[in-house]
Amino acid sequence: DIQMTQSPSSLSASVGDRVTITCRASQGIRSDLGWYQQKPGKAPERLIYAASSLQSGVPSRFSGSGSGTEFTLTINCLQPADFATYYCQQYNSYPPTFGQGTKVEIK
Amino acid sequence: VQLVQSGFEVNKPGASVKLSCKASGYTFTNFAIHWVRLAPGQRLEWMGCVNGGDDNTKYSQNFQGRVTMTRDTSASIAYMELSRLRSEDTAMYYCARGGSGSSYYYYFDYWGQGTLVTVSS
Repeated sequence: DIQMTQSPSSLSASVGDRVTITCRASQGIRSDLGWYQQKPGKAPERLIYAASSLQSGVPSRFSGSGSGTEFTLTINCLQPADFATYYCQQYNSYPPTFGQGTKVEIK
Repeated sequence: VQLVQSGFEVNKPGASVKLSCKASGYTFTNFAIHWVRLAPGQRLEWMGCVNGGDDNTKYSQNFQGRVTMTRDTSASIAYMELSRLRSEDTAMYYCARGGSGSSYYYYFDYWGQGTLVTVSS
């Protein structure tokens, strides 16, 4: 199975900050990577697919980049609604696997 | 698109649980339904999937032999049954729709609200 490793596991940030989360795959997955946001007590919601394509309805302050084994999720000008846990997931190779999550907390 | 899951479950070790996921807002037979769980302190874990159209299933090796996924196309409902429950199966269970086309089969574009399953004697 492909192992997905996110860093950091958690971070504290202020409203208006720029936040970057990294996701590394144990082997190359082309651009077959998605990012999800999960708020407490809620289901995960899709943010980005194909490493850098924003899902319809997702604010443009979210962006993704990378290919192969290293990927990033960037949130520009962090908003109160963005405090949540973020997961990366590869769908290149069976079985699909997730990163351990990055919790973004209010400083 | 909406996926609405059945309610909270409490079960004893060794028992089985069957969860449901009712889909609406799209053609049920055109997409697979996947099941993903989140146990305390763990990461999201893919369990398996059932095709909406042809009833084919794929199961994670971690659950092979204990999980069965089925669907009722007339009612647009997918089911996931997990047997021989143990305390480590205490988790939130989500159904999720697979993406469109073979490239996105394992990308999850819509999720149910989750069903909490507690396994306790």
